[in-house]
Formats: sequence, C-alpha cells, structure tokens
Amino acid sequence: GAGVSQSPSNKVTEKGKDVELRCDPISGHTALYWYRQSLGQGLEFLIYFQGNSAPDKSGLPSDRFSAERTGGSVSTLTIQRTQQEDSAVYLCASSLPWGPYNEQFFGPGTRLTVL
Amino acid sequence: GEDVEQSLFLSVREGDSSVINCTYTDSSSTYLYWYKQEPGAGLQLLTYIFSNMDMKQDQRLTVLLNKKDKHLSLRIADTQTGDSAIYFCAENPLDGGFKTIFGAGTRLFVKA
Repeated sequence: GAGVSQSPSNKVTEKGKDVELRCDPISGHTALYWYRQSLGQGLEFLIYFQGNSAPDKSGLPSDRFSAERTGGSVSTLTIQRTQQEDSAVYLCASSLPWGPYNEQFFGPGTRLTVL
Repeated sequence: GEDVEQSLFLSVREGDSSVINCTYTDSSSTYLYWYKQEPGAGLQLLTYIFSNMDMKQDQRLTVLLNKKDKHLSLRIADTQTGDSAIYFCAENPLDGGFKTIFGAGTRLFVKA
C-alpha cells in the first residue's frame, strides 16, 4: 500500500486479556514508531525501531507493554493483562532514516477499549 | 527535560485568521514541526521550520519561530471549515536521535 496501515482499527477487550496491535510501515522506511494518544493527553511516545539497532523502549509505560519488529518491516505492539487505563488510540508511524527533516508518516491508529 | 506545550482549544469564525501557539524547552532542536490530525485519521505533517529560520510561509500558512523565547506559532489565514482539526506542535531534539516530542495538540473549531 501507499501509506502506513494498522490493524485492527478498533479493538474491544476485557480487563486482564492480552492484545496485539499490528503496524505495516511504508516500504523502505527503516524507522518505525509507536505512540499512544489518550483523550486530553496528547501524543505519548512508546517505542522506536531503527533498522537493526536495538529499539528505544524508553517510553513503554510498564513491563506489560512490549513490541517487536520482524524482518525490519511489520511491527506488533503487545499489551499483556490489559487495564482500563490502557484504553487509547495507538498510532504507528514510519520514516526514512536520513530524510532532510525526518517527516513521520502516520497510520490511522487502533482504538483500544478495555472494559 | 523535554516538553512541548500548547493550548488545548481555539475557536475562530470562518474567514478569520487562526493563530496556534506552542512553547518548547529544548533549544538544541534542529527542526520544529506542525502536524495536523483530522477526525479518525493519523497525523500528517503540515509544515516544518529549520531552527535557523525566523519565519516560513506556505500559501495560507505562516510559521513564526522565536528561538530566544522558545516559542513557535502557526498562523492560518482565511480559515475554512475544512481546517477544523487538531494541530500538534513537535520538536526534534538534537540528542534525541530521531525521537520527536509532540505537544498535546490544539483542537481548532471553525464556525461558519
């Protein structure tokens, strides 16, 4: 596809369940980011992947959150034992590694609701 | 620390100018950005300014940068109802690698 895609677009789960969110970046973009957007909280950085380098996990809020990126392309964000405060829109973005101004291209997001 | 602050709401009438303000903390930032988020969609880069510039104009958009005060603004001339969206200010600290720090977003309401 031409842009960043994310699936599912909406996910409703029960408290305590695990969820997996998927991101397909733009082909050729070696940098991939996950953000969380909560109502009134703005955009919270979660994790950043760049090529084969170790990911920057400094934004992950707890050890219930993890992410991987297979083959330098598709990424999966996993939230274990979901809590109600995990409800938010999870956005993925990708970018070229050496663009002149590091424009990030965002997917439409996955809206997660934890009941 | 790294922080980007902006007001949460702005309401203007169609045809008026909108000015969205932002303050940032990291003076090392090379680029500063404005992203736009329309309902149900991801963010899209609207414009950016390099840190050695004071002003950048792009059609109806004017970006002003005051490095001394670490203040960034976005002016939209002749605001239209289609401009209703959330506008995010963001900075790219020099020591942050490719990490971009976003503000909370300003929700712009345009009244017909």
